[in-house]
Amino acid sequence: QVQLQESGPGLVKPSETLSLTCTVSGGSISSYYWSWIRQPPGKGLEWIGYIFYSGNTNYNPSLKSRVTISIDTSKNQFSLKLRSVTTADTAVYYCARVRSITAAVDAWGQGTLVTVSS
Amino acid sequence: DIVMTQTPLSSPVTLGRPASISCRSSQSLVHSDGNTYLSWLQQRPGQPPRLLIYKISNRFSGVPDRFSGSGAGTDFTLKISRVEAEDVAIYYCMQGTQFPHTFGQGTKLEIK
Repeated sequence: QVQLQESGPGLVKPSETLSLTCTVSGGSISSYYWSWIRQPPGKGLEWIGYIFYSGNTNYNPSLKSRVTISIDTSKNQFSLKLRSVTTADTAVYYCARVRSITAAVDAWGQGTLVTVSS
Repeated sequence: DIVMTQTPLSSPVTLGRPASISCRSSQSLVHSDGNTYLSWLQQRPGQPPRLLIYKISNRFSGVPDRFSGSGAGTDFTLKISRVEAEDVAIYYCMQGTQFPHTFGQGTKLEIK
């Protein structure tokens, strides 16, 4: 059974870059879409973007100018960078897996809270 | 972006009774490949979301058969035939037909 685990700093200063890594275990990183989704405290879910194992990406237009998602298949990891953060970027960040034939998110990490504060 | 609107936002239900949540999309979720990529997720307190239903009505592995999904086009429904205590959660619909994928606001299921 695949497991996903987010890692990275829990506190980021305004205007700096948020960087998170997701490690995938119990399965191959190939043949799926790997996604980042976030949830501000007490609020709903927002799709950030995804990367295919081949390296193709698709980002939410609302964040596209600030987001980069990359993948390292040799380490079974994919990463998120969100530049020029503000307090509005404070959220629980989830890494997740999407199966292309269902376009559904069928595996989630536990999530990591990232707070943007000086 | 496709806007997903759920009703109700809060649903108090009695244990053992049925519950129903509606989700409406701002445009048809029928993909050019003929599939409709509408899924339902459950988020229990303090937990990440969990996939319940995909492509309108397909239960994901391990999901109890008291959960069912239906609908077409722009209108979809999640039904729980007999609510159990463990079903207390927030339920989200999600469309995977068009990028960016978008979620409903969530419906909080509570026990009366």
